[in-house]
Amino acid sequence: AQKITQTQPGMFVQEKEAVTLDCTYDTSDQSYGLFWYKQPSSGEMIFLIYQGSYDEQNATEGRYSLNFQKARKSANLVISASQLGDSAMYFCAMRPRAATGSGGSNYKLTFGKGTLLTVNP
Amino acid sequence: KAGVTQTPRYLIKTRGQQVTLSCSPISGHRSVSWYQQTPGQGLQFLFEYFSETQRNKGNFPGRFSGRQFSNSRSEMNVSTLELGDSALYLCASTWDGIGELFFGEGSRLTVL
Repeated sequence: AQKITQTQPGMFVQEKEAVTLDCTYDTSDQSYGLFWYKQPSSGEMIFLIYQGSYDEQNATEGRYSLNFQKARKSANLVISASQLGDSAMYFCAMRPRAATGSGGSNYKLTFGKGTLLTVNP
Repeated sequence: KAGVTQTPRYLIKTRGQQVTLSCSPISGHRSVSWYQQTPGQGLQFLFEYFSETQRNKGNFPGRFSGRQFSNSRSEMNVSTLELGDSALYLCASTWDGIGELFFGEGSRLTVL
């Protein structure tokens, strides 16, 4: 079974500053993928960034970067130069990367409880 | 390129009724999955379909069912609604079920 823990129910950051959202995970799978999604008040889940467990470099996508520490089982999201539009719920998620036909577990995302980020002007 | 479209966006039902939610995936995507989001339980996986076949199912009672059509559109049905079924139901699509999921805006169900 997989488990995602996001220990920060809410975070506040000043506009233009950087912020780190924490995510730790637990899995017995050897190969897995880690995802971060943003959910504005509209409800849509917006994909931000992906990290594979065997990727040697930390993933980056524009202002988003993923601080992946495999030994510590953490996959923190770093948002640089925060903007007012970054205010939203942020979810960390994971999925095994087993081969197709392994029982279907690799088609299911396990999500954390989320962190509500508020960017102050 | 159109995103994932879910209908209806909002609906109100009473206990005991049934509801059908629809999801049209991104063109070319063959995998559709469904998630239930509630304040108490968070985001929970319901099921995933690929080429009209259910490949995985979450831990939900049999009142929750789904299907996928040959054009990859998917529907989910909840019968004998309970108050606890009030939630945001999110549909997501991907080409093969393994890549990143693209979500719709969800269908917000309120059961009275």
